[in-house]
Amino acid sequence: RKEVEQDPGPFNVPEGATVAFNCTYSNSASQSFFWYRQDCRKEPKLLMSVYSSGNEDGRFTAQLNRASQYISLLIRDSKLSDSATYLCVVSPRGGYNKLIFGAGTRLAVHP
Amino acid sequence: EAGVTQFPSHSVIEKGQTVTLRCDPISGHDNLYWYRRVMGKEIKFLLHFVKESKQDESGMPNNRFLAERTGGTYSTLKVQPAELEDSGVYFCASSQFGSEAFFGQGTRLTVV
Repeated sequence: RKEVEQDPGPFNVPEGATVAFNCTYSNSASQSFFWYRQDCRKEPKLLMSVYSSGNEDGRFTAQLNRASQYISLLIRDSKLSDSATYLCVVSPRGGYNKLIFGAGTRLAVHP
Repeated sequence: EAGVTQFPSHSVIEKGQTVTLRCDPISGHDNLYWYRRVMGKEIKFLLHFVKESKQDESGMPNNRFLAERTGGTYSTLKVQPAELEDSGVYFCASSQFGSEAFFGQGTRLTVV
């Protein structure tokens, strides 16, 4: 079983749509949780950290359920520029040490 | 401010040859990490330096891989001898303690 599992995608959505990504992780002792974004042939970039209380950054909302070992990302009012691969990332030791990546979910937003 | 820089951006070598990848972290970042993504798989952790010391090398696949960070500045990752399954994208990242890890653009290694 993979340590971090994500919806395989791809998700093809029109501009303005709301899209949700899900992720589960296997190590219940994991300390830190993130969503990264990776554009084609580029490096991963931090989108946002994820907290149990839920957190929002503009059109993006992330949620963590420790009991279910489940992480989600909601993107509202999708833009063409949101097209990318979204990586669910977990750190067993906390902080940004030894990040465990999911395989990523590809999002394509079309006009 | 310069980001994490990796050299070369691409490398094509024959099986059995040696390749050395270089990473220049963001100035002042004590933490330096190596990751790699092989075709069709997720990005996987290789190792973590704190300054010049190896903090965690649990992700290194075998003894054909040698990472160094002499002087606690830039790091090199040497693969010797390279095998076909070593092909992939090698990412370096750096961070200050407790802060966001920034990734370099990666080195795309192809072993033929």
